[in-house]
Amino acid sequence: AQTVTQSQPEMSVQEAETVTLSCTYDTSESDYYLFWYKQPPSRQMILVIRQEAYKQQNATENRFSVNFQKAAKSFSLKISDSQLGDAAMYFCAYRGTQNSNSGYALNFGKGTSLLVTP
Amino acid sequence: GAGVSQSPSNKVTEKGKDVELRCDPISGHTALYWYRQSLGQGLEFLIYFQGNSAPDKSGLPSDRFSAERTGGSVSTLTIQRTQQEDSAVYLCASSSRGGQGSYEQYFGPGTRLTVT
Repeated sequence: AQTVTQSQPEMSVQEAETVTLSCTYDTSESDYYLFWYKQPPSRQMILVIRQEAYKQQNATENRFSVNFQKAAKSFSLKISDSQLGDAAMYFCAYRGTQNSNSGYALNFGKGTSLLVTP
Repeated sequence: GAGVSQSPSNKVTEKGKDVELRCDPISGHTALYWYRQSLGQGLEFLIYFQGNSAPDKSGLPSDRFSAERTGGSVSTLTIQRTQQEDSAVYLCASSSRGGQGSYEQYFGPGTRLTVT
């Protein structure tokens, strides 16, 4: 089974600064997707960014970018110019090939709580 | 369009009672997933529906848990004889075969279940 590890239970960043959240995963598959989800206090899981494993180029979405190191099985999220609204739980998730029993079920890390200070 | 909705938003129940949690997926989404988020834990996959069919129910935590989906749309997760360890946020997600092939899952706001 694939495992996803987020080693930082909590992180703090000052407004306008940059922060990097870490994620490592374990898999024997070569084709998969990785995701970062944001979960604010409202509980609504919001997709922040996705990365396809066969694409070498790191994904970017405005202030959010990833550092995808396939050989090292590392997938970190960088948030630039942090804003107060970025404060939330951030989950790293892995999605492998389709499984007849579980479809495209996501494997999640335990999350990193990001605090943004003024 | 409308996103995934779940009801109730919050549910407090006494130990031993049955509860039913509802998920309305995005219209046209054929795949539906249930996850459980317990305090201090990540999100745990419970069950997957393709249409009305759930191929594998082994992810459900115990035989007190059951789930069904009707008409390829609404799904209900039922917990019988609730226990305190069932207290968690139950999240539902739906997805379709998107053009980009990422089959992105769209999540509902979850139901927070508290068993007293």
